[in-house]
Amino acid sequence: AQRVTQPEKLLSVFKGAPVELKCNYSYSGSPELFWYVQYSRQRLQLLLRHISRESIKGFTADLNKGETSFHLKKPFAQEEDSAMYYCALKGGGYNKLIFGAGTRLAVHP
Amino acid sequence: NAGVTQTPKFQVLKTGQSMTLQCAQDMNHNSMYWYRQDPGMGLRLIYYSASEGTTDKGEVPNGYNVSRLNKREFSLRLESAAPSQTSVYFCASIQESNYGYTFGSGTRLTVV
Repeated sequence: AQRVTQPEKLLSVFKGAPVELKCNYSYSGSPELFWYVQYSRQRLQLLLRHISRESIKGFTADLNKGETSFHLKKPFAQEEDSAMYYCALKGGGYNKLIFGAGTRLAVHP
Repeated sequence: NAGVTQTPKFQVLKTGQSMTLQCAQDMNHNSMYWYRQDPGMGLRLIYYSASEGTTDKGEVPNGYNVSRLNKREFSLRLESAAPSQTSVYFCASIQESNYGYTFGSGTRLTVV
């Protein structure tokens, strides 16, 4: 079955601390994975996609097929990073996305 | 440069009432989607439309119907609202060559 698991509902860190938001997936084919972010009172927006191997707002994510993971990392968290983060897997055709339950990141001053 | 526009932004319904959530995109995208967002469950796909004139069920279609009126518009209808349909509803669209969804701002629906 296709599934995305984000084990942490809430991740609370202090400003300047490293951040790692965990994402594990279950998929039989070659996965396409994404991270979406939702800031307070804003719409969901694409943060990263594994296929482009980019770094956005200091965040990176590496696809590890052996561990079936796509963890999101940032070396030094900022208060403006506080948001809800969703990991998503493209699966089932027609560009359908399967989302994880989300992790709320809270960065404290 | 509106992107994806959803109306209304907020709605309160009584159990048994019906309503239609509207979604329109101005990016000439082929595919459109309706998701619901619930705490602890992430976003779950209700219905999608791969192209104009086609619609298909997603993960949680019960209690909903959709219409792809034209390439721009994709509406979601609740025929007889139930408290279990209290949620935030998001519409999204994507072009085939673009891997990222563009989301609307959401509709917060409460059924009492």
